[in-house]
Amino acid sequence: DAGVTQSPTHLIKTRGQQVTLRCSPKSGHDTVSWYQQALGQGPQFIFQYYEEEERQRGNFPDRFSGHQFPNYSSELNVNALLLGDSALYLCASSSQGATDTQYFGPGTRLTVL
Amino acid sequence: KNQVEQSPQSLIILEGKNCTLQCNYTVSPFSNLRWYKQDTGRGPVSLTIMTFSENTKSNGRYTATLDADTKQSSLHITASQLSDSASYICVVSAENNFNKFYFGSGTKLNVKP
Repeated sequence: DAGVTQSPTHLIKTRGQQVTLRCSPKSGHDTVSWYQQALGQGPQFIFQYYEEEERQRGNFPDRFSGHQFPNYSSELNVNALLLGDSALYLCASSSQGATDTQYFGPGTRLTVL
Repeated sequence: KNQVEQSPQSLIILEGKNCTLQCNYTVSPFSNLRWYKQDTGRGPVSLTIMTFSENTKSNGRYTATLDADTKQSSLHITASQLSDSASYICVVSAENNFNKFYFGSGTKLNVKP
């Protein structure tokens, strides 16, 4: 039973570029949440996808967008990258029917130069 | 406002010693509280989860307590090991339909030989 997987592991971009991060949820999970974690900080909620729709959103600008596919996998897109977007991006999956479980992926380390 | 606060921010202890990390929350309505261990640059891994009716839960050398009346939780680590060096994050889930999770900023633990 595969856990949550994310790709790529590391990514280096320059300011102004666009990036797409990918996440495959744990088997049996239908809900995917994305978090941004700056160095030395706790994760900050970006948004959550369920049934291919964005269901909740944190305090992030529209440059951050996402998508969920019919197989429940998800993408996080960030446009017009800023230096401050450098962080560990975490994906977490859960099941709508079991609200007490959320499993995290290993994260994607994004560096913006 | 739903918040989760952790203390201390950082902690240094000697190998073999015990320590206790604190988590205070104002999340309502409360669903459950989970402690995660996060190694540097990796995704968080769940240690314990407690619902309203549980006031203690153990996972090896990790013991979590919950006082739902005072909205406080603690994570006690017994006989610390070098591999316990990590950040420990308290996450409180609100009881609603959308799997809403609130994160603390974490306590960074450094276990020295």
